[in-house]
Amino acid sequence: AQSVTQLGSHVSVSEGALVLLRCNYSSSVPPYLFWYVQYPNQGLQLLLKYTSAATLVKGINGFEAEFKKSETSFHLTKPSAHMSDAAEYFCAVSETGTASKLTFGTGTRLQVTL
Amino acid sequence: DADVTQTPRNRITKTGKRIMLECSQTKGHDRMYWYRQDPGLGLRLIYYSFDVKDINKGEISDGYSVSRQAQAKFSLSLESAIPNQTALYFCATSGGGANSPLHFGNGTRLTVT
Repeated sequence: AQSVTQLGSHVSVSEGALVLLRCNYSSSVPPYLFWYVQYPNQGLQLLLKYTSAATLVKGINGFEAEFKKSETSFHLTKPSAHMSDAAEYFCAVSETGTASKLTFGTGTRLQVTL
Repeated sequence: DADVTQTPRNRITKTGKRIMLECSQTKGHDRMYWYRQDPGLGLRLIYYSFDVKDINKGEISDGYSVSRQAQAKFSLSLESAIPNQTALYFCATSGGGANSPLHFGNGTRLTVT
């Protein structure tokens, strides 16, 4: 069975600092992995996805994530945080690649301070 | 205009009442989904539909029903609302290919008193 663990329900960084949001997954087959972002009063939108083409995946707004099979991780990073990055971030895994079989993590709320 | 539109945005109802949440989309996607979001639990799938004649239960379908009235419309009903159905509900769509991302509406915040 597939599952996702996001370490840290809240992360706070200073503007300009590195953003690191952690995601570990469990899957019995090579997984498809996704990061979604949710801004206040909005639905989720896709940041990036891993589909086995490349282990380092670049997404929108300067975010990227690296798939590490040996660590079963798919951590999200951004070199320099901006105030507009404040949002909730969800990691998700699918063993089939289809949205109907997507399992979401519990989310990490990112706070960016001056 | 939003690609995926949910109505209402907010709703307060009483225990035992029947309530319907509506979703319409202009993306032309065949696949539509209803999710529930609770603090600390992430998103959980309630129902999904691959086309008008294909409706499937998700992880937490008990107490809910759905209707796919057309390719563009997918409604969620709570037959007899209870307080633990208080949550943020999202409708989403996706294309048919593998890895197709979900496209979400802005959500309906439902409170059952």
